[in-house]
Amino acid sequence: EVQLQQSGTVLARPGASVKMSCKASGYTFTSYWMHWVKQRPGQGLEWIGAIYPGNSDTSYNQKFKGKAKLTAVTSTSTAYMELSSLTNEDSAVYYCTRQGPKYGDYWGQGTTLTVSS
Amino acid sequence: DIVMTQSHKFMSTSVGDRVSITCKASQDVSTAVAWYQQKPGQSPKLLIYSASYRYTGVPDRFTGSGSGTDFTFTISSVQAEDLAVYYCQQHYSTPTWTFGGGTKLEIK
Repeated sequence: EVQLQQSGTVLARPGASVKMSCKASGYTFTSYWMHWVKQRPGQGLEWIGAIYPGNSDTSYNQKFKGKAKLTAVTSTSTAYMELSSLTNEDSAVYYCTRQGPKYGDYWGQGTTLTVSS
Repeated sequence: DIVMTQSHKFMSTSVGDRVSITCKASQDVSTAVAWYQQKPGQSPKLLIYSASYRYTGVPDRFTGSGSGTDFTFTISSVQAEDLAVYYCQQHYSTPTWTFGGGTKLEIK
């Protein structure tokens, strides 16, 4: 059974950086793109970017270049997203989702980030 | 960049009614459109891919159609549990994605 288990709720200060995780199980981690999606409270879904763990190839939404950094550790089947220079605008739920074969077939439960002083 | 536009942010319907949600792409995306359902407090769930293919386990009251720039998602007989926000997404330029703004379906 495919599962994506995301790390827990995060509270961070403005200006700080955070790194959240998405642990995959039930499939070959290196064979599927992993995407990250942002959802601010009461708002829609916003695509951040994607990583192919097989060769660490990445694709980013231009809006998030410099804000988000995607990495993956194949030995633990875990994808990571680091967000830097946090502001209130980064407060949101962040989802990881597996691309299979071209759309998001499995989704994590989401990680809630709150940025507050 | 491909922009996906859902012109209705809200739609109100009754149990048993037929409802259709539309989505327009800013350029030709062939049939590379998926539809997702997001219920309150839950992660999005894939319903339709490649415009008209129902994902595994999705009830047949959910259908999708369209090609090129205009797409439609239809629920043939709305159930109370269909209360949710529905998003279209283009997967034409995968691994680069874009989502529509979402349509919230309200049940009268």
